[in-house]
Amino acid sequence: EDQVTQSPEALRLQEGESSSLNCSYTVSGLRGLFWYRQDPGKGPEFLFTLYSAGEEKEKERLKATLTKKESFLHITAPKPEDSATYLCAGNSGNTPLVFGKGTRLSVIA
Amino acid sequence: DTGVSQDPRHKITKRGQNVTFRCDPISEHNRLYWYRQTLGQGPEFLTYFQNEAQLEKSRLLSDRFSAERPKGSFSTLEIQRTEQGDSAMYLCASSLGGPGGNQPQHFGDGTRLSIL
Repeated sequence: EDQVTQSPEALRLQEGESSSLNCSYTVSGLRGLFWYRQDPGKGPEFLFTLYSAGEEKEKERLKATLTKKESFLHITAPKPEDSATYLCAGNSGNTPLVFGKGTRLSVIA
Repeated sequence: DTGVSQDPRHKITKRGQNVTFRCDPISEHNRLYWYRQTLGQGPEFLTYFQNEAQLEKSRLLSDRFSAERPKGSFSTLEIQRTEQGDSAMYLCASSLGGPGGNQPQHFGDGTRLSIL
């Protein structure tokens, strides 16, 4: 059964304190690894798609990377507005996404 | 691009009642997905459509749940004889789909269902 596991469950950072979120996956025939941001009471907001091991994508203070077994979301010099739940999901083509439980990030000023 | 729209945003109902939710996808997207999310969990897949055809249903989708996408545009999700365990956020997503493509799914802000 396809599975996505995220760690840590929660992370508290001081403003400017860089860190990484982990997403490990067992999705047979992985075709895409997706990162989303979710604010309370809102739907997930798309951030990145990674398609193959070694691929990296960046957006502002966020950088996503992919290996054959896991993905990392690196947050550089975070700000309080980066506080949210970050969700990782994978699929094996044009199929439904399998999500992890997410990492709740709090950035304290 | 107006985004995925869901209605209503909140629904409170008594156990045993029927409820229906609506989703309007991004206009050029041919794939539409329904997910359910409970507190502290990631979204869980329920069902999806390509155009008007329902292609896959999760085992989470009991026979009390039915979804339609009659003209390949908007979709409805109906829950009959609601139970306490149906309380959740129901999320709709849409994407472009087709051979060789794996486009990201874009989500609406969901309908939060509370069963009294």
